[in-house]
Amino acid sequence: DIQMTQSPSSLSASVGDRVTITCRASQGISNYLAWFQQKPGKAPKSLIYAASSLQSGVPSKFSGSGSGTDFTLTISSLQPEDFATYYCQQYNSYPITFGGGTKVEIK
Amino acid sequence: QVQLVQSGSELKKPGASVKVSCKASGYTFTSYAMNWVRQAPGQGLEWMGWINTNTGNPTYAQGFTGRFVFSLDTSVSTAYLQISSLKAEDTAVYYCAREGGEYCSGGSCYTKGIDYWGQGTLVTVSS
Repeated sequence: DIQMTQSPSSLSASVGDRVTITCRASQGISNYLAWFQQKPGKAPKSLIYAASSLQSGVPSKFSGSGSGTDFTLTISSLQPEDFATYYCQQYNSYPITFGGGTKVEIK
Repeated sequence: QVQLVQSGSELKKPGASVKVSCKASGYTFTSYAMNWVRQAPGQGLEWMGWINTNTGNPTYAQGFTGRFVFSLDTSVSTAYLQISSLKAEDTAVYYCAREGGEYCSGGSCYTKGIDYWGQGTLVTVSS
Protein backbone atom coordinates (compact mmCIF):
# COMPACT_ATOMS: atom_id res chain seq x y z
CA ASP A 1 0.00 0.00 0.00
CA ILE A 2 1.13 3.55 -0.65
CA GLN A 3 1.64 5.49 2.57
CA MET A 4 0.76 9.18 2.59
CA THR A 5 2.56 11.34 5.15
CA GLN A 6 1.37 14.85 5.87
CA SER A 7 3.29 17.54 7.68
CA PRO A 8 2.80 19.24 9.93
CA SER A 9 0.09 17.33 11.76
CA SER A 10 -1.16 20.64 13.11
CA LEU A 11 -0.35 24.29 12.79
CA SER A 12 -1.46 27.58 14.26
CA ALA A 13 -1.87 30.54 11.96
CA SER A 14 -3.46 33.97 11.89
CA VAL A 15 -6.09 35.35 9.58
CA GLY A 16 -4.34 36.60 6.48
CA ASP A 17 -1.39 34.23 6.76
CA ARG A 18 -0.15 32.15 3.86
CA VAL A 19 -0.24 28.49 4.86
CA THR A 20 1.48 25.54 3.21
CA ILE A 21 0.82 21.87 3.98
CA THR A 22 3.04 19.10 2.66
CA CYS A 23 2.11 15.57 1.63
CA ARG A 24 4.64 12.88 0.74
CA ALA A 25 3.86 9.56 -0.91
CA SER A 26 5.89 6.44 -0.13
CA GLN A 27 6.26 5.82 -3.86
CA GLY A 28 5.60 7.76 -7.03
CA ILE A 29 1.96 8.53 -7.76
CA SER A 30 2.35 10.82 -10.78
CA ASN A 31 -0.23 13.55 -10.18
CA TYR A 32 -3.00 11.33 -8.79
CA LEU A 33 -3.28 13.41 -5.66
CA ALA A 34 -6.35 15.06 -4.13
CA TRP A 35 -6.87 17.43 -1.21
CA PHE A 36 -9.92 17.61 1.05
CA GLN A 37 -11.06 20.00 3.76
CA GLN A 38 -13.05 18.81 6.75
CA LYS A 39 -14.64 20.94 9.44
CA PRO A 40 -15.68 19.47 12.80
CA GLY A 41 -18.83 17.39 12.55
CA LYS A 42 -19.06 17.86 8.79
CA ALA A 43 -18.37 15.77 5.72
CA PRO A 44 -15.13 16.35 3.86
CA LYS A 45 -15.19 18.80 0.98
CA SER A 46 -13.21 18.16 -2.17
CA LEU A 47 -10.75 20.95 -2.98
CA ILE A 48 -8.19 19.77 -5.51
CA TYR A 49 -7.70 16.86 -7.92
CA ALA A 50 -4.79 15.90 -10.13
CA ALA A 51 -2.47 17.63 -7.67
CA SER A 52 -3.21 21.15 -8.87
CA SER A 53 -6.70 21.41 -10.42
CA LEU A 54 -9.45 23.06 -8.39
CA GLN A 55 -12.73 21.24 -8.03
CA SER A 56 -15.72 23.21 -9.25
CA GLY A 57 -16.62 26.11 -6.98
CA VAL A 58 -13.42 26.06 -4.93
CA PRO A 59 -11.94 29.54 -4.47
CA SER A 60 -8.61 30.34 -6.07
CA LYS A 61 -6.97 31.07 -2.70
CA PHE A 62 -6.41 27.30 -2.62
CA SER A 63 -3.66 25.94 -4.81
CA GLY A 64 -1.84 22.66 -5.13
CA SER A 65 1.42 21.62 -6.64
CA GLY A 66 3.73 18.66 -6.98
CA SER A 67 4.21 15.45 -8.84
CA GLY A 68 5.74 12.07 -8.13
CA THR A 69 6.12 11.84 -4.36
CA ASP A 70 6.04 15.40 -3.00
CA PHE A 71 3.01 17.66 -2.97
CA THR A 72 1.85 20.87 -1.33
CA LEU A 73 -1.43 22.58 -0.60
CA THR A 74 -1.24 26.34 -0.16
CA ILE A 75 -3.87 28.69 1.19
CA SER A 76 -2.84 32.14 0.06
CA SER A 77 -4.59 34.24 2.71
CA LEU A 78 -6.14 32.32 5.56
CA GLN A 79 -9.70 33.31 6.42
CA PRO A 80 -11.82 32.29 9.42
CA GLU A 81 -13.75 29.76 7.33
CA ASP A 82 -10.50 27.99 6.40
CA PHE A 83 -9.77 26.73 9.89
CA ALA A 84 -10.28 22.99 9.45
CA THR A 85 -8.44 19.70 8.97
CA TYR A 86 -6.96 19.04 5.54
CA TYR A 87 -6.31 15.59 4.09
CA CYS A 88 -4.35 14.51 1.06
CA GLN A 89 -5.28 11.34 -0.81
CA GLN A 90 -3.57 9.29 -3.50
CA TYR A 91 -5.69 7.60 -6.11
CA ASN A 92 -2.89 6.28 -8.30
CA SER A 93 -3.41 2.70 -7.17
CA TYR A 94 -5.59 0.57 -4.94
CA PRO A 95 -6.07 0.76 -2.10
CA ILE A 96 -6.72 4.49 -2.22
CA THR A 97 -5.03 5.97 0.84
CA PHE A 98 -5.29 9.20 2.79
CA GLY A 99 -2.76 11.17 4.73
CA GLY A 100 -3.23 11.49 8.46
CA GLY A 101 -4.52 15.05 8.24
CA THR A 102 -3.28 18.53 9.11
CA LYS A 103 -5.33 20.54 11.57
CA VAL A 104 -5.17 24.27 10.92
CA GLU A 105 -6.00 26.22 14.06
CA ILE A 106 -6.35 29.87 14.92
CA LYS A 107 -3.31 31.49 16.51
CA GLN B 1 -27.06 20.40 -8.22
CA VAL B 2 -25.39 17.18 -7.19
CA GLN B 3 -26.55 15.86 -3.83
CA LEU B 4 -25.81 12.69 -1.93
CA VAL B 5 -28.22 12.23 0.97
CA GLN B 6 -27.47 9.46 3.43
CA SER B 7 -29.74 7.72 5.90
CA GLY B 8 -29.80 8.68 9.55
CA SER B 9 -27.74 7.59 12.53
CA GLU B 10 -27.99 4.01 13.71
CA LEU B 11 -27.49 2.43 17.11
CA LYS B 12 -26.92 -1.31 16.91
CA LYS B 13 -25.95 -4.12 19.22
CA PRO B 14 -22.89 -6.26 18.55
CA GLY B 15 -23.69 -9.04 16.11
CA ALA B 16 -26.50 -7.14 14.41
CA SER B 17 -26.51 -5.80 10.85
CA VAL B 18 -26.98 -2.33 9.45
CA LYS B 19 -27.72 -0.97 5.99
CA VAL B 20 -26.74 2.60 5.15
CA SER B 21 -28.27 4.26 2.12
CA CYS B 22 -26.93 7.02 -0.09
CA LYS B 23 -29.49 8.60 -2.43
CA ALA B 24 -28.07 10.56 -5.33
CA SER B 25 -29.73 13.37 -7.22
CA GLY B 26 -28.81 16.06 -9.72
CA TYR B 27 -26.92 13.79 -12.11
CA THR B 28 -27.15 10.47 -13.96
CA PHE B 29 -26.51 7.94 -11.19
CA THR B 30 -25.06 5.23 -13.39
CA SER B 31 -22.48 7.52 -14.97
CA TYR B 32 -20.34 7.95 -11.87
CA ALA B 33 -18.86 5.37 -9.53
CA MET B 34 -19.49 5.54 -5.79
CA ASN B 35 -16.89 5.24 -3.08
CA TRP B 36 -17.38 4.44 0.59
CA VAL B 37 -15.14 6.00 3.26
CA ARG B 38 -15.04 5.33 6.99
CA GLN B 39 -14.04 7.71 9.77
CA ALA B 40 -13.73 6.28 13.26
CA PRO B 41 -14.28 8.70 16.17
CA GLY B 42 -11.48 11.26 16.29
CA GLN B 43 -9.60 9.52 13.49
CA GLY B 44 -8.78 10.14 9.86
CA LEU B 45 -10.38 8.98 6.65
CA GLU B 46 -10.19 5.37 5.49
CA TRP B 47 -11.20 4.24 2.01
CA MET B 48 -13.40 1.14 2.09
CA GLY B 49 -13.82 0.56 -1.62
CA TRP B 50 -16.06 1.49 -4.50
CA ILE B 51 -18.86 0.21 -6.64
CA ASN B 52 -19.29 0.58 -10.38
CA THR B 53 -22.80 2.02 -10.64
CA ASN B 54 -23.10 0.89 -14.25
CA THR B 55 -22.28 -2.79 -13.73
CA GLY B 56 -22.83 -3.14 -9.98
CA ASN B 57 -19.35 -4.61 -9.60
CA PRO B 58 -17.87 -3.77 -6.18
CA THR B 59 -14.21 -3.48 -5.18
CA TYR B 60 -13.33 -3.78 -1.50
CA ALA B 61 -10.24 -2.59 0.28
CA GLN B 62 -8.42 -5.08 2.44
CA GLY B 63 -10.06 -5.11 5.82
CA PHE B 64 -13.48 -4.56 4.33
CA THR B 65 -14.11 -7.97 2.83
CA GLY B 66 -16.60 -10.49 4.12
CA ARG B 67 -18.82 -8.44 6.44
CA PHE B 68 -19.15 -5.40 4.17
CA VAL B 69 -21.33 -5.35 1.07
CA PHE B 70 -21.86 -2.56 -1.44
CA SER B 71 -25.03 -2.68 -3.49
CA LEU B 72 -27.23 -0.51 -5.68
CA ASP B 73 -30.81 0.17 -6.60
CA THR B 74 -30.44 2.13 -9.81
CA SER B 75 -34.22 2.58 -10.09
CA VAL B 76 -34.03 5.00 -7.16
CA SER B 77 -30.45 6.21 -7.70
CA THR B 78 -29.32 4.81 -4.39
CA ALA B 79 -26.18 3.07 -3.20
CA TYR B 80 -26.09 0.94 -0.09
CA LEU B 81 -23.51 -0.20 2.42
CA GLN B 82 -24.45 -3.20 4.50
CA ILE B 83 -22.36 -4.32 7.45
CA SER B 84 -23.11 -7.62 9.15
CA SER B 85 -21.92 -9.14 12.43
CA LEU B 86 -21.29 -5.66 13.80
CA LYS B 87 -18.46 -5.14 16.26
CA ALA B 88 -17.71 -2.24 18.58
CA GLU B 89 -14.81 -1.25 16.35
CA ASP B 90 -17.25 -0.67 13.47
CA THR B 91 -18.44 2.43 15.32
CA ALA B 92 -17.73 5.23 12.88
CA VAL B 93 -19.16 7.74 10.47
CA TYR B 94 -19.60 6.22 7.02
CA TYR B 95 -19.54 8.43 3.95
CA CYS B 96 -20.53 7.79 0.39
CA ALA B 97 -18.52 9.84 -2.07
CA ARG B 98 -18.99 10.19 -5.80
CA GLU B 99 -16.11 9.52 -8.12
CA GLY B 100 -15.92 12.57 -10.35
CA GLY B 101 -15.86 12.49 -14.07
CA GLU B 102 -12.87 12.60 -16.33
CA TYR B 103 -10.62 15.30 -17.64
CA CYS B 104 -8.48 14.93 -20.72
CA SER B 105 -4.97 16.16 -21.22
CA GLY B 106 -2.35 15.36 -23.81
CA GLY B 107 -4.58 12.90 -25.59
CA SER B 108 -5.35 10.82 -22.50
CA CYS B 109 -8.23 11.01 -20.05
CA TYR B 110 -8.00 10.66 -16.28
CA THR B 111 -10.38 10.51 -13.34
CA LYS B 112 -11.00 13.61 -11.28
CA GLY B 113 -11.18 11.52 -8.11
CA ILE B 114 -13.84 12.11 -5.46
CA ASP B 115 -15.83 15.30 -6.04
CA TYR B 116 -19.00 15.08 -3.91
CA TRP B 117 -19.62 13.59 -0.48
CA GLY B 118 -22.70 12.53 1.42
CA GLN B 119 -23.29 14.10 4.82
CA GLY B 120 -22.23 10.93 6.61
CA THR B 121 -24.04 8.30 8.68
CA LEU B 122 -22.98 7.61 12.24
CA VAL B 123 -23.17 3.93 13.11
CA THR B 124 -22.74 3.21 16.80
CA VAL B 125 -22.27 -0.37 17.94
CA SER B 126 -22.83 -0.83 21.64
CA SER B 127 -24.45 -3.32 23.94
